Amino acid sequence: KQEVTQIPAALSVPEGENLVLNCSFTDSAIYNLQWFRQDPGKGLTSLLLIQSSQREQTSGRLNASLDKSSGRSTLYIAASQPGDSATYLCAVMDGGATNKLIFGTGTLLAVQP
Amino acid sequence: DVKVTQSSRYLVKRTGEKVFLECVQDMDHENMFWYRQDPGLGLRLIYFSYDVKMKEKGDIPEGYSVSREKKERFSLILESASTNQTSMYLCAHGTSGNTIYFGEGSWLTVV
Repeated sequence: KQEVTQIPAALSVPEGENLVLNCSFTDSAIYNLQWFRQDPGKGLTSLLLIQSSQREQTSGRLNASLDKSSGRSTLYIAASQPGDSATYLCAVMDGGATNKLIFGTGTLLAVQP
Repeated sequence: DVKVTQSSRYLVKRTGEKVFLECVQDMDHENMFWYRQDPGLGLRLIYFSYDVKMKEKGDIPEGYSVSREKKERFSLILESASTNQTSMYLCAHGTSGNTIYFGEGSWLTVV
């Protein structure tokens, strides 16, 4: 059974710092991996999608990498801002036909001004 | 912009009531999902649908049912609400192997 883990569970950094969020999964037979952002009391906003054949994706100050063989993904946030404060979730889509996402429990990020 | 509309943001229902949560998407996506999110348990899949009138159970289907009569609309039904169904409910949709989009969520409190 696929399990997704995110470390750390919480992170506090000063504004301007570059940071890395980690996601690991137990079964490498994934279809893709998606990173989401969730603000308190709100739904999920998709940040980046990495297909299983890709190594990384970039969007603005965000860069996500995928190492399927080792079961790991990282989300790199450059020059962090207070507006980046949120919970970040990674989710893997299993290799079957169901397109189900299996989520990690998230990293709560606080960027201090 | 992708739009996923969940019919109610905040609901308070009594134990035993029948509850309908509705989700509408405007992207013509075949796959739609209902998740619930609880502190410490993360997001858990309740039901999903890959086509009109098609549905499959997720990880926690007990106490729920769904309906998908039209491609753009996916409803979650709590036949007889119980207090342990107090949660945030999230609808999502997407096409096979591509980005999954989520709605704003519906906060349900059962008293």
